[in-house]
Amino acid sequence: QQQVKQSPQSLIVQKGGIPIINCAYENTAFDYFPWYQQFPGKGPALLIAIRPDVSEKKEGRFTISFNKSAKQFSLHIMDSQPGDSATYFCAARRPPAQAAGNKLTFGGGTRVLVKP
Amino acid sequence: DAGVTQSPTHLIKTRGQQVTLRCSPKSGHDTVSWYQQALGQGPQFIFQYYEEEERQRGNFPDRFSGHQFPNYSSELNVNALLLGDSALYLCASSLDMGRGEKLFFGSGTQLSVL
Repeated sequence: QQQVKQSPQSLIVQKGGIPIINCAYENTAFDYFPWYQQFPGKGPALLIAIRPDVSEKKEGRFTISFNKSAKQFSLHIMDSQPGDSATYFCAARRPPAQAAGNKLTFGGGTRVLVKP
Repeated sequence: DAGVTQSPTHLIKTRGQQVTLRCSPKSGHDTVSWYQQALGQGPQFIFQYYEEEERQRGNFPDRFSGHQFPNYSSELNVNALLLGDSALYLCASSLDMGRGEKLFFGSGTQLSVL
């Protein structure tokens, strides 16, 4: 019930390509879905987040698509650059007021390599 | 504005020893959460502290304990270290038990247990 499944595990694209990372969840109580970017030796940094009442959200070159009925969401990186090479994590959280709320449940991560 | 700071950055211990990791939250934040990230995996929630009390706990044994101080900084203690405790330990801070939604992570403490 608390799992978030992320795919693929790794991804290689050419500069300018659009890496797409997918996540699926089971628990319909989740109400907040952030994406984090992590570089080696660093902690995860919040990229963009979405709530289930919105089907798409864009911030700069990053776009989240959300399909509530399928319990799936995805991250698209438009016009990808070599500096985008990092590990990306999706996550989900239950409302803070609920039991077991406040904590993030993370997917397993996707290593993205953008070749020049 | 300093972000989340953690110390030390690296630590090597042997099995059976005890370790203390430290975290200072982002300025203005009052809630600290700790996560364990094994190599090649996503972070796993350990516990969260707010108003100097443990508010939520993940599926971790009692060997993992913590503390939050009046200035909101926090410590993570691990007793009787096992080889499997080797991981990156991340501290994250937020506002008002996460109701502010945005969670900011430090760079972590890399713990190696030999």
